[in-house]
Formats: sequence, C-alpha cells, structure tokens
Amino acid sequence: EIVLTQSPGTLSLSPGERATLSCRASQSVRNYLAWYQQKPGQAPRLLIYDASNRATGIPARFSGSGSGTDFTLTISSLESEDFAVYYCQQRSNWLVTFGGGTKVEIK
Amino acid sequence: QLQLQESGPGLVKPSETLSLTCTVSGGSISSSSYYWGWIRQPPGKGLEWIGSIYYSGSTYHNPSPSLKSRVTISLDTSKNQFSLKLSSVTAADTAVYYCARQWEFTGDHWGQGTLVTVSS
Repeated sequence: EIVLTQSPGTLSLSPGERATLSCRASQSVRNYLAWYQQKPGQAPRLLIYDASNRATGIPARFSGSGSGTDFTLTISSLESEDFAVYYCQQRSNWLVTFGGGTKVEIK
Repeated sequence: QLQLQESGPGLVKPSETLSLTCTVSGGSISSSSYYWGWIRQPPGKGLEWIGSIYYSGSTYHNPSPSLKSRVTISLDTSKNQFSLKLSSVTAADTAVYYCARQWEFTGDHWGQGTLVTVSS
C-alpha cells in the first residue's frame, strides 16, 4: 500500500499570505496525484489532478507541482474562503489512498 | 449538471450489512470515461477509499484489512445507480459515506455524503 504523508498537520496563516502544503508518497506515484479541499459539513472538492492540472472552475491562485514522491500544493494569496482542510490522493495501480490532511487555519 | 445523491439507512446494527445507493442525475453511469466510487470519512477523521466500479462492471477494492472481503459494489444501469454493501459492520464502520464520479480514480463530482451510524 502506498502511504501519503502530508505536512504540516496545521498551517496558521493570515489572508493574503502564501500557503505551501506538502504531500510525500512512500513510493513513486509518477504524476498520479490529486488535491482536494474540504470545508466543514461539505464533500471534498477537487482542486488539482495529475499533480499540476487545475480542475474546472478552480481559481488560478491554486497550483500544484511535483512528481514521483514529492508534491506541493501552493495557494498564492489566501482568500477567506480558502481556510479549510486539504487532502492529497494518489491513484497508482488501480488503488487509491489519501493523505491524512493539512488544516489551513486563520492566524 | 451532474449530481450524485446517496441514500440508505442512517442506523445499522452491529454484524449486519450496510447498504447504500448512489443515484446519478445529469449524466449516464454507462459512460466509458468514468469510474464510480465510494469513499468514507469517520467523524473528525480523514478520507478512506472503499472501492470503485467501472461502467463494464469491473470492480476495484481497498485491500485494507479493515475492509477486505466485506465490500460489494454493483451497478444498476436501468436506474442510473450504483450501490455499496458492507457486511459484518462494527462501530468502526461509523462514518459519512460519499459516492463520487471518478475520472481515472480521481473524484471530480461528489455526493453530499450520508452519515451511517453502527449501533445496537
């Protein structure tokens, strides 16, 4: 099983600041890595697929990078609606695993 | 616009079988481009993939010991629905259960989720 480790567990930032979230895989997942945003009481929303492609309707302030085992989600300038939990997910060999999540909270 | 809606009992007794259905509207589950998946989230915890089904009926399951051999996922193309059965449930199966459309196992549309509590 491929394990995804997200860091940090919690990120405390102010609106307008840059957020950098990390996701590390226990073995290579090539570029088969997605990022989701989840707000309380809501379903996850797809932000990024295949490591760096923004999903439909996702603002340009969200960007993804990386390949192999190390991936990054960057939010260039935090808006109030961006404070949420973010999950990474890999889809290698017809199996899916999620990371444990990073909470982005208001400082 | 594609919509997914989970339905089923909100309370299941220990050792019984949890059964949920996902009704898809605004698109066909017979599309060759997509998988249809189930994901769960215990209260206050992270996401766990349960399994997925392709339009052809091929299924893919999470091999985790906590789920292995208890999961059945099926399609009903006549009703545009897909279903989850999880047998021999325990309190550890208490979670919000989501259905999702998946492009190459990446969930691009999700249902709102339904809370299933396992308790006697």
